[in-house]
Amino acid sequence: EIVMTQSPATLSLSPGERATLLCRASQSVRSNLAWYQQKPGQAPRLLIYGASTRATGIPARFSGSGSGTEFTLTISSLQSEDFAVYYCQQYNNWWTFGQGTKVEIK
Amino acid sequence: QVQLVESGGGVVQPGTSLRLSCAASEFTFSDHAIHWVRQAPGEGLEWVSVISYDGSNKFYADSVKGRFTISRDNSKNMLSLQMNTLRPEDTAVYYCVRATSTYLDVWGQGTTVIVSS
Repeated sequence: EIVMTQSPATLSLSPGERATLLCRASQSVRSNLAWYQQKPGQAPRLLIYGASTRATGIPARFSGSGSGTEFTLTISSLQSEDFAVYYCQQYNNWWTFGQGTKVEIK
Repeated sequence: QVQLVESGGGVVQPGTSLRLSCAASEFTFSDHAIHWVRQAPGEGLEWVSVISYDGSNKFYADSVKGRFTISRDNSKNMLSLQMNTLRPEDTAVYYCVRATSTYLDVWGQGTTVIVSS
């Protein structure tokens, strides 16, 4: 099983700041990596697939990068609605999720 | 808009069974593989099962293999998950999720399963 490890577990930032979330795979997943956002009481929402392609309707302040085993989700300038939990997921070999990074208001 | 709506969750005792359903609308259901993903209280996401677009291929996480069965009825745009021999560790919100290519792009709102004596 491919293990996905996200860091940090919690990111405390202020609105307007830049957020950088990391995701590491235990073996190469090529570019078969997605990012999801989840707010309390809601289902996850797809943000990024193919490591760097924004899903329909996702604002340009969200960007993804990386390939192989190291991936990054960047939120260029945090808006109030961006404070949430973010999960990475690989779909190269079955489907496994990271444990999540919580982006909280500082 | 594209929608998946789960139903069938509830509170059940360990060792019993439950059947979840997922109704799809506003997309060509038979073009897409569909997954079940669950989330235990306060925890992260766990992939559970997938069924191919035509129902010919089905795969399960080791944690549910032999106990859960996924199925679909493309004529009714419906997906099901038959869960047998339920355990307390199966307690979770269960999401029905559409796949496009192999990534998961549309999620239902989830249905809650609680396994407790």
